[in-house]
Amino acid sequence: NAGVMQNPRHLVRRRGQEARLRCSPMKGHSHVYWYRQLPEEGLKFMVYLQKENIIDESGMPKERFSAEFPKEGPSILRIQQVVRGDSAAYFCASSPTGTGGGGYTFGSGTRLTVV
Amino acid sequence: GENVEQHPSTLSVQEGDSAVIKCTYSDSASNYFPWYKQELGKGPQLIIDIRSNVGEKKDQRIAVTLNKTAKHFSLHITETQPEDSAVYFCAASIEGAQKLVFGQGTRLTINP
Repeated sequence: NAGVMQNPRHLVRRRGQEARLRCSPMKGHSHVYWYRQLPEEGLKFMVYLQKENIIDESGMPKERFSAEFPKEGPSILRIQQVVRGDSAAYFCASSPTGTGGGGYTFGSGTRLTVV
Repeated sequence: GENVEQHPSTLSVQEGDSAVIKCTYSDSASNYFPWYKQELGKGPQLIIDIRSNVGEKKDQRIAVTLNKTAKHFSLHITETQPEDSAVYFCAASIEGAQKLVFGQGTRLTINP
């Protein structure tokens, strides 16, 4: 029973390029959450999705960031026109039910470096 | 919104001694408090959690206490071992609110 799978593990992009981060939830989990971790800081909530729906995007920057969780395939976090400040670790978590009160399983993260 | 403060930011203890990490939260509606351990290059791993209807929970060498009145909760690790070295995060949420608010993390080092 594989855990939450994120890829790539490391991603290097030049300023102005697009970054695409993928997350496959655990089998049987239909709720996905994205968090961002800046160096030496805690994780910050970005977005919560269910299949084909964005439920809560209150933590997403207003511009350049978007997320989706299609009916088939992984959840995607897309960052357009990346800037140096986007360099961070991005973690995906999944749960079988839509609650922050337990059941979260995190992936190993994607470390984005913008040069 | 919720704000979680975590102290200390770094903690160094001798192997076999106890370690205590403390967190405070601001939103009295929060009722779920998990603790995560993050090892280098890995994602956070849930190690213990507590809900607001209990004051203490223990799992082998790890325990968590919760004081709802003061709005703080603590992680206690006894008989520390080198493999306990990691970054520990506390978090708070309201069940049903779909997201966790994390503290800033504590880097725990166990000295042999």
